[in-house]
Amino acid sequence: EAGVTQFPSHSVIEKGQTVTLRCDPISGHDNLYWYRRVMGKEIKFLLHFVKESKQDESGMPNNRFLAERTGGTYSTLKVQPAELEDSGVYFCASSSDRGGFLDGNTEAFFGQGTRLTVV
Amino acid sequence: RKEVEQDPGPFNVPEGATVAFNCTYSNSASQSFFWYRQDCRKEPKLLMSVYSSGNEDGRFTAQLNRASQYISLLIRDSKLSDSATYLCVVILPPGGYNKLIFGAGTRLAVHP
Repeated sequence: EAGVTQFPSHSVIEKGQTVTLRCDPISGHDNLYWYRRVMGKEIKFLLHFVKESKQDESGMPNNRFLAERTGGTYSTLKVQPAELEDSGVYFCASSSDRGGFLDGNTEAFFGQGTRLTVV
Repeated sequence: RKEVEQDPGPFNVPEGATVAFNCTYSNSASQSFFWYRQDCRKEPKLLMSVYSSGNEDGRFTAQLNRASQYISLLIRDSKLSDSATYLCVVILPPGGYNKLIFGAGTRLAVHP
């Protein structure tokens, strides 16, 4: 079974440009998450979809970031316009249990990430 | 103050050594706890959940101390393949049951 896949693996763009990241979750997983790791910092939550609905977007840094999950399958994360501080690794994850991670038995499966560099 | 604090390391140990990492969390309301492992330039992967009574999985033992608000990971008989960054992760219910809160990680390097 395919894992979580992300595209592109790397992206180098100039400040002010637009970049769109894509995530394909594990088939059948209703939950899809975006996380980000900025250089030297911890991985931080951006947002959570259940199917096509945004459940929690409290981690989105500002309105330059737009996430969509049309049809409840793959998701895109668009950064427009990109700024230097947006550089980092963007991870997507998916999980199957709607109850969340509270019981300790649900695993979040991560993609290999998109390394974004804004110059 | 960070919600999850870890010693960044690196911990440099020889093969066969026993090594332990601690992780402290700031909010006593934190509930579920996990250790994830991340290899260089790879994705995080769940290593093990941490249960209140402590749990063991082969060479790995995880413990939770709610009174002192820390969790630990013990690795016995270290292998070269254990070299990675170990991420402490908690769930803080007011933030939702689906939000993983990560520490910055502890780097382990096992040498021959």
